[in-house]
Order: sequence, then C-alpha cells, then structure tokens
Amino acid sequence: AQRVTQPEKLLSVFKGAPVELKCNYSYSGSPELFWYVQYSRQRLQLLLRHISRESIKGFTADLNKGETSFHLKKPFAQEEDSAMYYCALDNTDKLIFGTGTRLQVFP
Amino acid sequence: DTGVSQDPRHKITKRGQNVTFRCDPISEHNRLYWYRQTLGQGPEFLTYFQNEAQLEKSRLLSDRFSAERPKGSFSTLEIQRTEQGDSAMYLCASSPRTAYSYEQYFGPGTRLTVT
Repeated sequence: AQRVTQPEKLLSVFKGAPVELKCNYSYSGSPELFWYVQYSRQRLQLLLRHISRESIKGFTADLNKGETSFHLKKPFAQEEDSAMYYCALDNTDKLIFGTGTRLQVFP
Repeated sequence: DTGVSQDPRHKITKRGQNVTFRCDPISEHNRLYWYRQTLGQGPEFLTYFQNEAQLEKSRLLSDRFSAERPKGSFSTLEIQRTEQGDSAMYLCASSPRTAYSYEQYFGPGTRLTVT
C-alpha cells in the first residue's frame, strides 16, 4: 500500500542549528514527492518537490530510492521556519500525506 | 486574493443535519480536489475533478458524501445526516495539472463541528 511516514510529531531546535525532518515512503512505482508547509494561521503551501531539485528558503530534500526516504534538511534553522511540515506522495493524481512534523525553532 | 477560496470557514451543526461547503478554485485550474484533515493527521484525499468530471472517489467517502463541479468552475461538497465523526477540516485544492506542474494550491479550509 502507498504510505508516507513522518516519525517525529515535534522537532525542537535552536536558531542556527541544523534541521532534518524525516520522511519515508512506500510506493510501488516511481514516486513524485513533495514537502508542504503550513505556517501559523496560513494555508497549506508547497515548499519543494523532488523533481525540481531546487532549494527553497534554504531547505533541500533528496530522494533516496534505496532507503525510500525524502528527508527535508536545512543547515541553519531560522525562527521563521517554525511551522507544520508535511511530506506528500503523488499517487496517480492525488496526494498522500504523512501525519506531519511540527518544527519549533527557539531563539 | 486570487487564491483558492472556501465558504464557510466554520460550520457548527447538529448531528443528523445536512451541510454543504463551497470551493472556488483558481480560475482556469482544471483540477479540483477535496481533502479531509482530522486532528493530528495529514490531509486525506476524498475526491477530485477534472473540469466537471469526477474522476475518483476515496473509500473514505461514504454514501452520505456527494461532491459536484457542475460547470467545471466552483465545487460543492455535501454531507447528509452528519455524524460526530464527520467533524474535521475540509480542504479544497486546485491544480493546473500540466506536464510541468504538479502543484496543488490549497484553500483555507472549512472547519466542521458536529455536536
């Protein structure tokens, strides 16, 4: 079955520390993976997708098919990165989301 | 604001009542999606439309749920005979869904509380 797993509900770091939000997936085909973010009182929005291999707001994510992972990383966290982060898998035109990880960045 | 809009933003209803939600997608987006999100969970897919055609419905969508997109523009999601388990945030998203764009743009959601 297609599934996305985010093992951490909460990740707390201090400003300037590195961040890694974990995402593992289960998918029988060639996956299209995304990270969505929801800042406080804002709507869910796309942060990045693996196919574009871009860095957004300093975040990167590399698809590792061997480990079936798509972890989100940032070398130096900022307070404004505090938000809810969802990993998502495109499953034939619909998204399957993980349960999300709340990132708290303390000053 | 030219983003996806949803109405109402909040709805409180008594068990057994019918409710209807509306979603206005970004204009010219041919794909429209409905998701449901409960506390502590990520959004779960319910159904989606390509223009006015409903292409897929999740097994989560019981017979009490019906969605329409009559002219390929706005969409409505109706829940009949609401139950307390229907309490959730209902999210709408739209997408141009071209060969080069997979991004789904989400609305603010409609929070349903069934008492």
